[in-house]
Amino acid sequence: QVQLVESGGGVVQSGRSLRLSCTASGFTFTSYVMHWVRQAPGKGLEWVAVISFDGTNKYYADSVKGRFTISRDNSKNTLYLQMNSLRAEDTAVYFCARDPRSPGWHKLDYWGQGSLVTVSS
Amino acid sequence: QSALTQPASVSGSPGQSITIPCTGTSSDVGGYRYVSWYQQYPGKAPKLMIYDVSNQPSGVSNRFSGSKSGNTASLTISGLQAEDEADYYCSSYTSSSTVVFGGGTKLTVL
Repeated sequence: QVQLVESGGGVVQSGRSLRLSCTASGFTFTSYVMHWVRQAPGKGLEWVAVISFDGTNKYYADSVKGRFTISRDNSKNTLYLQMNSLRAEDTAVYFCARDPRSPGWHKLDYWGQGSLVTVSS
Repeated sequence: QSALTQPASVSGSPGQSITIPCTGTSSDVGGYRYVSWYQQYPGKAPKLMIYDVSNQPSGVSNRFSGSKSGNTASLTISGLQAEDEADYYCSSYTSSSTVVFGGGTKLTVL
């Protein structure tokens, strides 16, 4: 069955870095665009970034552009989110999700359970 | 990248129908048929309910339907059931090749 498992979350001080991973199984990883979406405590969903099938195209939300980097290792069926210069407002549960659409990605048809990142000051 | 606009809350009685609007701009909702809707229970991951404005993924009840007119997309839930009580989010592909979500709507089944 399809599985997306996020890892790497935790408590980190403001200004520091953290890398999240999302390990995929149960489907052909290279057939899907991959997204990161976050949700601050008690708040709504916020899209963070997307990466194309082969990793050549990447797009980011303005709120993280220049600080976060999305990448993927198709040989390991793993998606990454490198988060630098973290701020308190980056505190959230981070979900990875797959999407069969390219272009026009919007069909996030399977999501992981999320990884909590807490940025302390 | 302003969030799409949804009402904070809607409510309805069992058996009734409700509609949740989602308003964007010509650069997102109005410009593409790439609108989707998600259902989320507290503490759980979102679940895709509608994609391409009005298509249902396999396994989703046909009580859920979607539509679009101009810059506003809508999710309609007919024959409301207690299990439908959840948060609902719309999202759209944008002209910048990004994705934008709505602020979310809390559905209460009375």
